[in-house]
Amino acid sequence: DAGVTQSPTHLIKTRGQQVTLRCSPKSGHDTVSWYQQALGQGPQFIFQYYEEEERQRGNFPDRFSGHQFPNYSSELNVNALLLGDSALYLCASRDRDRGTIWDTEAFFGQGTRLTVV
Amino acid sequence: AQSVTQLDSQVPVFEEAPVELRCNYSSSVSVYLFWYVQYPNQGLQLLLKYLSGSTLVKGINGFEAEFNKSQTSFHLRKPSVHISDTAEYFCAVRVSGTYKYIFGTGTRLKVLA
Repeated sequence: DAGVTQSPTHLIKTRGQQVTLRCSPKSGHDTVSWYQQALGQGPQFIFQYYEEEERQRGNFPDRFSGHQFPNYSSELNVNALLLGDSALYLCASRDRDRGTIWDTEAFFGQGTRLTVV
Repeated sequence: AQSVTQLDSQVPVFEEAPVELRCNYSSSVSVYLFWYVQYPNQGLQLLLKYLSGSTLVKGINGFEAEFNKSQTSFHLRKPSVHISDTAEYFCAVRVSGTYKYIFGTGTRLKVLA
């Protein structure tokens, strides 16, 4: 059973460009969250998608947007890239068959390392 | 607002010695508590979680943690560490009824031979 899959694994972009990161949750998972982990820091919550809608959002500007597809996969889009957007971007999903949406843990992917130059 | 503090940024310890990684949180509402481990160039793997019930929680790889509500702490312990435990450890809280995890800044555990 594949875990949470993210693509690409590494990416280099130039300031001002736009980037799209992709996430495929584990089989049987439905909710997808995105986190940004800057070097030497803990992950910071960007937003979460459930049933193709954004359900909660962290303190990130509108340059960060997302989408969830009917097959539960998700994309994170970042516009007008800044040097400070360089980070590891983590996707996490939740097992829809284990308890309520509130009391199950998140399963994380390996992340996409984005470097903005 | 909720916050998580991991006071130790780095903890060196010799192999087969015990270790405690400290985590304190701040919240005025009910929270769920988690410890995740991150190996180099990898994502996060769940070690253990506290949702309710017994305050002593056992996780994978011989780790355990104790929830102390009065001290708002959730310290991670292992009685005997191995070289393979060298990694970054993150404590996290999630407010009951929300999707958002709040992570600490991490503790780098380095196990020495």
